[in-house]
Amino acid sequence: ILNVEQSPQSLHVQEGDSTNFTCSFPSSNFYALHWYRWETAKSPEALFVMTLNGDEKKKGRISATLNTKEGYSYLYIKGSQPEDSATYLCASPPTDSWGKLQFGAGTQVVVTP
Amino acid sequence: DVKVTQSSRYLVKRTGEKVFLECVQDMDHENMFWYRQDPGLGLRLIYFSYDVKMKEKGDIPEGYSVSREKKERFSLILESASTNQTSMYLCASRLTSGNSYEQYFGPGTRLTVT
Repeated sequence: ILNVEQSPQSLHVQEGDSTNFTCSFPSSNFYALHWYRWETAKSPEALFVMTLNGDEKKKGRISATLNTKEGYSYLYIKGSQPEDSATYLCASPPTDSWGKLQFGAGTQVVVTP
Repeated sequence: DVKVTQSSRYLVKRTGEKVFLECVQDMDHENMFWYRQDPGLGLRLIYFSYDVKMKEKGDIPEGYSVSREKKERFSLILESASTNQTSMYLCASRLTSGNSYEQYFGPGTRLTVT
């Protein structure tokens, strides 16, 4: 079983501040790294799928980077807004995939006005 | 837009009951998944199906079974519900096999077994 870990478990951010958090995964046999955002009472939705070392992806104020050699990805939120409050999940396929994903436990972000 | 729907948002069942959770997707996706989410543990895969009538065990299949008779529908069955199956259950679908394809999730069913 692949070990996907996220840190911190939770963080509180003031509105307007920027923040970032980490997803780590084993660097051997890397296939892909997924980021999902899960807002309360909604369905998790995909933010990014990253496959190449050095990948950087951006969606609005949210961006992500990928380092497959050292086994980590950062998610950045620039100028946090209350609507960014959510749990952010990262996931990676294990080697015997068929497209299964191994999820981290998530980082819960709370943005206060 | 892909839509994944689940039959119930909240469900309360008694220990020993047989429970059916239904999931339907409307975008002709080949792959479908059932997860459960528990605090501090993230999403854990129960079963997945890569095509009609095809199924594979995930990481925690004990106590569960699944059925996929039609492409759009994937059912999770708790043969005899137990209190340790109280959890949030999420269904997901994906176009096809391939690690770069994102998954689309339903809204979840919060099941309480008393």
